[in-house]
Amino acid sequence: AQTVTQSQPEMSVQEAETVTLSCTYDTSESNYYLFWYKQPPSRQMILVIRQEAYKQQNATENRFSVNFQKAAKSFSLKISDSQLGDTAMYFCASRIGGSQGNLIFGKGTKLSVKP
Amino acid sequence: DAEITQSPRHKITETGRQVTLACHQTWNHNNMFWYRQDLGHGLRLIHYSYGVHDTNKGEVSDGYSVSRSNTEDLPLTLESAASSQTSVYFCASSESRMTTGELFFGEGSRLTVL
Repeated sequence: AQTVTQSQPEMSVQEAETVTLSCTYDTSESNYYLFWYKQPPSRQMILVIRQEAYKQQNATENRFSVNFQKAAKSFSLKISDSQLGDTAMYFCASRIGGSQGNLIFGKGTKLSVKP
Repeated sequence: DAEITQSPRHKITETGRQVTLACHQTWNHNNMFWYRQDLGHGLRLIHYSYGVHDTNKGEVSDGYSVSRSNTEDLPLTLESAASSQTSVYFCASSESRMTTGELFFGEGSRLTVL
């Protein structure tokens, strides 16, 4: 069974600074995907970044990047130059590879960006 | 543009009533999912479907049912609503031909059971 753990229920960061959100996961599969989703107050779930387990290179999307440590089963999200609009719940999730399979979510980290 | 819509967005009901939350997607995705979101629990899977007439139980399926009669819709039914089912419900879908794994989410339905 897959599990995803986010150990930081809440975090805060000053605007323009960098923050890292932690995530660890457990799976027996060799083919899987990892995701970070953002949920702003509007409640909409927005995909921030995706990492394929078979890729060694860490994924990057503009100010968002991940530190994927496969052996340690760690998948942290780094947000650079934090903006007020980054204030949201952030969920780490995993999914096994293939055409089927659902997302398993962590419990989330509430990030507040302070001016 | 393709999208996934949920209705109603907000609903208040009484204990014991039957409630149905609708989910409609125009992505033509085979895979559809229902999650519930509760503080301290993240999102937990209720039911899912990999195609027409296919349904499967998720982690927290007790008290819920789904049916899949076409590709576009996966309604979620609470047969006899309980206060423990007060939650925010999310429908999601994904493409089965691709293996990138991304789920596309609806905007959520907030259900309050009094």
